[in-house]
Amino acid sequence: DAGITQSPRYKITETGRQVTLMCHQTWSHSYMFWYRQDLGHGLRLIYYSAAADITDKGEVPDGYVVSRSKTENFPLTLESATRSQTSVYFCASSPSGLYNEQFFGPGTRLTVL
Amino acid sequence: QKEVEQNSGPLSVPEGAIASLNCTYSDRVSQSFFWYRQYSGKSPELIMSIYSNGDKEDGRFTAQLNKASQYVSLLIRDSQPSDSATYLCAVNMNDKIIFGKGTRLHILP
Repeated sequence: DAGITQSPRYKITETGRQVTLMCHQTWSHSYMFWYRQDLGHGLRLIYYSAAADITDKGEVPDGYVVSRSKTENFPLTLESATRSQTSVYFCASSPSGLYNEQFFGPGTRLTVL
Repeated sequence: QKEVEQNSGPLSVPEGAIASLNCTYSDRVSQSFFWYRQYSGKSPELIMSIYSNGDKEDGRFTAQLNKASQYVSLLIRDSQPSDSATYLCAVNMNDKIIFGKGTRLHILP
């Protein structure tokens, strides 16, 4: 019944540190997405994945790395966090592709000091 | 540049009235359209999807699509205080889903 979960829900880190945000879904959806949401910009796609071992860049991929070794997990890594990466990060999944409904996780609020 | 435009609001509507939320998009070939509701501090929640011209009704919600005018709207009938939220319009463009910045809706008790 969990659906899609994200961890941690809140994270404070320092500039230059590596941070990994986790996303796990129990629906076996093929597609998974990472978005960031900032005031004035709305939701912006960072990376997405069509299946295990298949990932592609979205609108704002710089400074982020993703992997998808298993269908259910899609971690997002900030290799060297910057203050501009302070944001709320949402993971989403879709059963049927880029043109169809997406279902969102609860979000991770990340603060980079 | 592919865009999805929404009035940021806030849109204030008396309880029990009809709330009308509008969205325009720039890509003539878009085929999939979605409305999400987002409460403050929460994640977006899918309300409606629409793929064909015309109206689609689901309970108190009606989505309206006019591809010729590149316009999609969401009507909320019998507005309730619990409908107060930000509503995001999303449209497929260039093999991505592009989200508008959202319209804040405030239902006045």
